[in-house]
Amino acid sequence: AQSVSQHNHHVILSEAASLELGCNYSYGGTVNLFWYVQYPGQHLQLLLKYFSGDPLVKGIKGFEAEFIKSKFSFNLRKPSVQWSDTAEYFCAVTRNTGGFKTIFGAGTRLFVKA
Amino acid sequence: DTAVSQTPKYLVTQMGNDKSIKCEQNLGHDTMYWYKQDSKKFLKIMFSYNNKELIINETVPNRFSPKSPDKAHLNLHINSLELGDSAVYFCASSQGPQTYEQYFGPGTRLTVT
Repeated sequence: AQSVSQHNHHVILSEAASLELGCNYSYGGTVNLFWYVQYPGQHLQLLLKYFSGDPLVKGIKGFEAEFIKSKFSFNLRKPSVQWSDTAEYFCAVTRNTGGFKTIFGAGTRLFVKA
Repeated sequence: DTAVSQTPKYLVTQMGNDKSIKCEQNLGHDTMYWYKQDSKKFLKIMFSYNNKELIINETVPNRFSPKSPDKAHLNLHINSLELGDSAVYFCASSQGPQTYEQYFGPGTRLTVT
């Protein structure tokens, strides 16, 4: 079955620590990849996206993600987290052929200690 | 200037009732979606409409019926509510059904007692 896996369900970091959240998907073929963030009490919003080109994409608030096709991965990174990064992070994948259904990962809850 | 809006924000109702959730987007997008987010925060697509036509219909009980009166609106009607329907329902929209990012509404927290 097609799936999107986020390996870390809960992550706790101190401010200024580096962050890497894993995301793997099981589709073959061309995909479009997204990271969305849901701050406490707010709706989901786009952090960054990859469609084609440079596999290292930069998003808002200092986040970046790297698409590694051979590993079917799209990990999210940030060199130095802040307390305000406390949120739920969702990886999402859309196949670029037929259906165009977006599948979301189960989410990773990040808590940053001040 | 809210991009995607949903009403109501909270909905508490009893089992067996029928309820509706409304969604409107002012982004001029062609495609709209309904997602269900369960208590574990898992987000799953339910329906998608493109230009008022249903294009994605996941294995959702037929008690759930979406209706798109025009491109800017996608409503969700739920008949005979069950305890398991308790969740947060998110509406979203995108430029098209293919590779575009989605813009989400604030969610409707439905509690069935």
